[in-house]
Amino acid sequence: GNSVTQMEGPVTLSEEAFLTINCTYTATGYPSLFWYVQYPGEGLQLLLKATKADDKGSNKGFEATYRKETTSFHLEKGSVQVSDSAVYFCALSDLASYDKVIFGPGTSLSVIP
Amino acid sequence: NAGVTQTPKFQVLKTGQSMTLQCAQDMNHEYMSWYRQDPGMGLRLIHYSVGAGITDQGEVPNGYNVSRSTTEDFPLRLLSAAPSQTSVYFCASSYSGGGADEQFFGPGTRLTVL
Repeated sequence: GNSVTQMEGPVTLSEEAFLTINCTYTATGYPSLFWYVQYPGEGLQLLLKATKADDKGSNKGFEATYRKETTSFHLEKGSVQVSDSAVYFCALSDLASYDKVIFGPGTSLSVIP
Repeated sequence: NAGVTQTPKFQVLKTGQSMTLQCAQDMNHEYMSWYRQDPGMGLRLIHYSVGAGITDQGEVPNGYNVSRSTTEDFPLRLLSAAPSQTSVYFCASSYSGGGADEQFFGPGTRLTVL
């Protein structure tokens, strides 16, 4: 079945550091890929998405490119801020799986001044 | 627009008690779902609905019931609470449930079963 694997956290970075959170997936069809972010005490909200191979999703300085050949969707940001401290979830949605969204386990990020 | 609302925000139950977690959305979304979030396990799908009157099981449905009598509401019922159901529960909705649709999440309900 479909699955999503993320790098284990927690990740701690200094402000202005470069961020990469790795995400790889397994899917039988052609999934859409997402990054969701969860700030402390809140529900998840969509950060960015990509719907086909080689698409790049971007938002708030974050980027991720849909790589079908490596089945990856790594999240990157060139310069993190304290306000980026949150839990980040990689997810996929595949029409072949009745539209169910599969989430990775989440990666906790803490950015220190 | 209130988006997706959930009540209550916190709840403590004793083993064997029953309760209903409420979820409502005002975006006229067809697709709604319930997840539970546990440390180190991400979000796991409990039940989902593709429209009023239609529900189906997700990855971890045991011990939970749902119904969808209206487009707006999607309550989750715990029939006989167990400590293993201690978790944070999120309700989500999307326009059609199609592969590229964004899901909108409620603020969550933190449930503790003693």
